[in-house]
Amino acid sequence: DGGITQSPKYLFRKEGQNVTLSCEQNLNHDAMYWYRQDPGQGLRLIYYSQIVNDFQKGDIAEGYSVSREKKESFPLTVTSAQKNPTAFYLCASSSLRDTPGNEQFFGPGTRLTVL
Amino acid sequence: AQTVTQSQPEMSVQEAETVTLSCTYDTSESNYYLFWYKQPPSRQMILVIRQEAYKQQNATENRFSVNFQKAAKSFSLKISDSQLGDTAMYFCAFMKHPNTNAGKSTFGDGTTLTVKP
Repeated sequence: DGGITQSPKYLFRKEGQNVTLSCEQNLNHDAMYWYRQDPGQGLRLIYYSQIVNDFQKGDIAEGYSVSREKKESFPLTVTSAQKNPTAFYLCASSSLRDTPGNEQFFGPGTRLTVL
Repeated sequence: AQTVTQSQPEMSVQEAETVTLSCTYDTSESNYYLFWYKQPPSRQMILVIRQEAYKQQNATENRFSVNFQKAAKSFSLKISDSQLGDTAMYFCAFMKHPNTNAGKSTFGDGTTLTVKP
């Protein structure tokens, strides 16, 4: 089955620690995205990537870092510089084609809690 | 920059009835896409319906249909014969032509819909 996987589903972090959230897709999509969702709010874009070895900052990139070494993988690191990291994180991908099917496909999300 | 506004934070509807969720957007683009996504309590986001701006005909998908008013920049979602499984948060999203904007979408803040038995 084609889709997007995120791991872990739940993640607990102590203050001052860096943690990495995994995102893998087997949809052969060029573009991948990371969003942050806070309770009762919409999705805010953290980082995105259109191609391997290239990525751009979104609206709230401070305190986060990413890499795109493989087309299928787009891990997100939440660093100790992120002041309020407790949130739900969603990874998505899209084909960048001008056809039906260019919507974003989402993973199941990771709930990060800072203790 | 594009903005997407969903003016109804919460709505409720009785099972089997019809409900309409509102969405307005602001853009100077002429070629774009609009989407409605559903996020149920499981939090898995899925696409409900898509509308291409160049198409005048409103999109429909089974019980879901949209009222796309391009001049008014309005994109409402109508759910007919509401079912308990429709209980979810619904997000309206705007996307410029994917080749011009890396496929990025701008999302509204969402409308939480509760279907009551």
